[in-house]
Amino acid sequence: QKEVEQNSGPLSVPEGAIASLNCTYSDRGSQSFFWYRQYSGKSPELIMFIYSNGDKEDGRFTAQLNKASQYVSLLIRDSQPSDSATYLCAVNMDTGNQFYFGTGTSLTVIP
Amino acid sequence: DTGVSQNPRHKITKRGQNVTFRCDPISEHNRLYWYRQTLGQGPEFLTYFQNEAQLEKSRLLSDRFSAERPKGSFSTLEIQRTEQGDSAMYLCASSFLASEQYFGPGTRLTVT
Repeated sequence: QKEVEQNSGPLSVPEGAIASLNCTYSDRGSQSFFWYRQYSGKSPELIMFIYSNGDKEDGRFTAQLNKASQYVSLLIRDSQPSDSATYLCAVNMDTGNQFYFGTGTSLTVIP
Repeated sequence: DTGVSQNPRHKITKRGQNVTFRCDPISEHNRLYWYRQTLGQGPEFLTYFQNEAQLEKSRLLSDRFSAERPKGSFSTLEIQRTEQGDSAMYLCASSFLASEQYFGPGTRLTVT
């Protein structure tokens, strides 16, 4: 079992819709969780991080964390074509020393 | 610009040659990480430094790979006797302790 798992997609949503991206992780002791956006050929760009159970909102983005179920999700409201990218979930395990990344979910927002 | 910088951005080398990459982290960050990313995969951890100390190294990392951070500021990653399988994007990230990591633009290595 991989430490961090994501559906590779592709996920397609129409412009203006809500995109929902999901991630599960294996280490129950994981402490912090991150979402990165990566455009083709570019490096990952931090979007959000979340440490506590519940929701955290930042503009059009909402991160949701459920430690009991070991999943973290990212909602993108009012999706725009510029949101089309691969979204990487990263988890900082109990040791706090390494980030483990999922393989990413490819999102396409259709105008 | 006070972000993470990496040089060179692209490197083409012949199999068997040695290559060295440089990373300059965000100045107030004490942790520096190296990752490798291939197409369709997430970044794969290689090693990390806290200040000048290399605290962890991936078990998957070949002995041909070595990294340094001599004064706790910039870091170099060297690959000796490159192989075609080393072709990848090499990413550097920095953070303050175990907080969120910020990535540089990466160095794309092509081994012919």
